[in-house]
Amino acid sequence: QKEVEQDPGPLSVPEGAIVSLNCTYSNSAFQYFMWYRQYSRKGPELLMYTYSSGNKEDGRFTAQVDKSSKYISLFIRDSQPSDSATYLCAMEGGSYIPTFGRGTSLIVHP
Amino acid sequence: DGGITQSPKYLFRKEGQNVTLSCEQNLNHDAMYWYRQDPGQGLRLIYYSQIVNDFQKGDIAEGYSVSREKKESFPLTVTSAQKNPTAFYLCASRQGGPEPQHFGDGTRLSIL
Repeated sequence: QKEVEQDPGPLSVPEGAIVSLNCTYSNSAFQYFMWYRQYSRKGPELLMYTYSSGNKEDGRFTAQVDKSSKYISLFIRDSQPSDSATYLCAMEGGSYIPTFGRGTSLIVHP
Repeated sequence: DGGITQSPKYLFRKEGQNVTLSCEQNLNHDAMYWYRQDPGQGLRLIYYSQIVNDFQKGDIAEGYSVSREKKESFPLTVTSAQKNPTAFYLCASRQGGPEPQHFGDGTRLSIL
């Protein structure tokens, strides 16, 4: 079993939908959780960073962490075609070397 | 603007040839990282450096080499020993500790 599991998709939704992206993990030492967005042929761009259980909101994006279930989520409200990209989750513990999920490909169609 | 610059954007390697990928950052970050990204495989760590003149192997270091002579620079050499070098290579940096990484826009390496 991989340390971080992420469904590669693709996930296809209509414009305006609420998108839910998820990762599960097995290492209970993970304390810091990140979501990155990666457009084709570009580097990942940091979207959200959190180090505690609960929710963190930034504009249309909400990151949710449930450490008891070892489950993290990224919600995108009012999705736009420009949100079409690959979304990578990442997490790390005391080693300060992040472990990345494989990424989920999101397609938002007009 | 502060950021991470990777060059070239595209690179072609001939059989038996070593090639060097450049990574420069002006964020004054202590730590720098090299990742390889293959379709459907996520990011795999090649090498990382947490301080000048020191670096450690990651999960897939075989066939690669690095140097860290300056804080702002962390070049990656893909040697002829790397038999499957075709991939998207990403450089990242961060200040240290648990701060999140910031990435460059990558170099795509292909075999001629």
